Amino acid sequence: AQSVTQLGSHVSVSEGALVLLRCNYSSSVPPYLFWYVQYPNQGLQLLLKYTSAATLVKGINGFEAEFKKSETSFHLTKPSAHMSDAAEYFCAVSVAGGYNKLIFGAGTRLAVHP
Amino acid sequence: DVKVTQSSRYLVKRTGEKVFLECVQDMDHENMFWYRQDPGLGLRLIYFSYDVKMKEKGDIPEGYSVSREKKERFSLILESASTNQTSMYLCASSLRGSQSQPQHFGDGTRLSIL
Repeated sequence: AQSVTQLGSHVSVSEGALVLLRCNYSSSVPPYLFWYVQYPNQGLQLLLKYTSAATLVKGINGFEAEFKKSETSFHLTKPSAHMSDAAEYFCAVSVAGGYNKLIFGAGTRLAVHP
Repeated sequence: DVKVTQSSRYLVKRTGEKVFLECVQDMDHENMFWYRQDPGLGLRLIYFSYDVKMKEKGDIPEGYSVSREKKERFSLILESASTNQTSMYLCASSLRGSQSQPQHFGDGTRLSIL
C-alpha cells in the first residue's frame, strides 16, 4: 500500500528565510509524487511533480523539490520565503493501478512572518 | 488552462435534506474525483469516475452517491445530509493514462449541515 507522511502540521518562518516542508512516502513501485498548494478559500494548485525524469524538480513560484529514493523523501524547499507563500501545502503520491488516483498527506500550513 | 467549476462556494443545508454538489470541467478529461477536506486529515477520496456512467468508490463513500451522465459533469449527492458531513468538498479532474498526469481542482464548496 502507498502512503504519504508530512512532518509538521504547522511551519513558521521569517520573510526571506529558507522554507523546508517535509514529505516522506511509502511505495512498493516507483512513485509519481506531487506537491500542491492551497491558498485560503481556494482549491489546490499544482506546484510541481516528480515523474522520474530528474531527481531535482523545479516548480512555480520559486519552489523546488528533491526526490531521494534512499530516504523515501520528496521535501519541498524555497530559498527565500515571501509573505505570499503563506498557505497550506500538500504532498501526494499517485496510486499504482490506474485512474490517476492520488493519496494525500495531511498537509502543512506555512506561516510567514515579517 | 484547465477550468474546474464547482457550482457553489458556500452552502447551508438542514439535516435530512438531499444535497447536490455539482462540478463541471472544460478540458475533456476522462477522470473526475470528489474529495472531502477536514483539518488534520488532508483530502480523502469519496468517489471517482473514469468515464461517463462509470463510478468507483473511494475511501469514504458511506452516505454519498455520485452521478456522471455527461463527460464534463460529475455530481456528488448526499442522500440524507447529516451534521458529520459538514466539510469542504473538492472536485478534481485529470486525463486518463500515465500516472504522471496531475489532477486539476475546483475552488471547493464549503458545506454546512445544521
